[in-house]
Amino acid sequence: TQLLEQSPQFLSIQEGENLTVYCNSSSVFSSLQWYRQEPGEGPVLLVTVVTGGEVKKLKRLTFQFGDARKDSSLHITAAQPGDTGLYLCAGGGHAGNNRKLIWGLGTSLAVNP
Amino acid sequence: SQTIHQWPATLVQPVGSPLSLECTVEGTSNPNLYWYRQAAGRGLQLLFYSVGIGQISSEVPQNLSASRPQDRQFILSSKKLLLSDSGFYLCAWSTRSNQPQHFGDGTRLSIL
Repeated sequence: TQLLEQSPQFLSIQEGENLTVYCNSSSVFSSLQWYRQEPGEGPVLLVTVVTGGEVKKLKRLTFQFGDARKDSSLHITAAQPGDTGLYLCAGGGHAGNNRKLIWGLGTSLAVNP
Repeated sequence: SQTIHQWPATLVQPVGSPLSLECTVEGTSNPNLYWYRQAAGRGLQLLFYSVGIGQISSEVPQNLSASRPQDRQFILSSKKLLLSDSGFYLCAWSTRSNQPQHFGDGTRLSIL
């Protein structure tokens, strides 16, 4: 059973479109991290959210942590080809095991010019 | 600033051969260290993590082992590689458990 479900699994859109990807769980986390990974490289941290209802913006990316700290979303406005990559969410402070991050399987995003 | 080095970038090994992948971190002390394996285009599977020298926690039973001989050195090993050991291996560090992790560039391992 995957504790963090990411959806959609794959997404292919045209440049300029908006999109939202989701990271959902039935468990509560003390923090939620989003990473982007490009092919052949390691994931790079984009943002950490820690407060229920928190919204953080990073240029065209908007991250939201659910009020109950069980889910999160990433919204990209006017997507560009440079946004292409694998988006991973990771939850910290899970009650079942507080010593490691719980990872989702990722959303693979392709933005076509 | 902190940096993480992982090598080699790619490796092709025959079945049954040994393996040693090395990861070193600079610019921080007593980091948590992690080894992950990633299937093509998908999520990360945690293999090992370490909170200190000589302290290794194994997440999944497998053909691999890990060691931490120095504070900022983490090594992934195998005595005899299997075909199923092929994959993309990533090393990462964090200041504490559950904190953001910083990854190396990975090693693409192909077993023939």
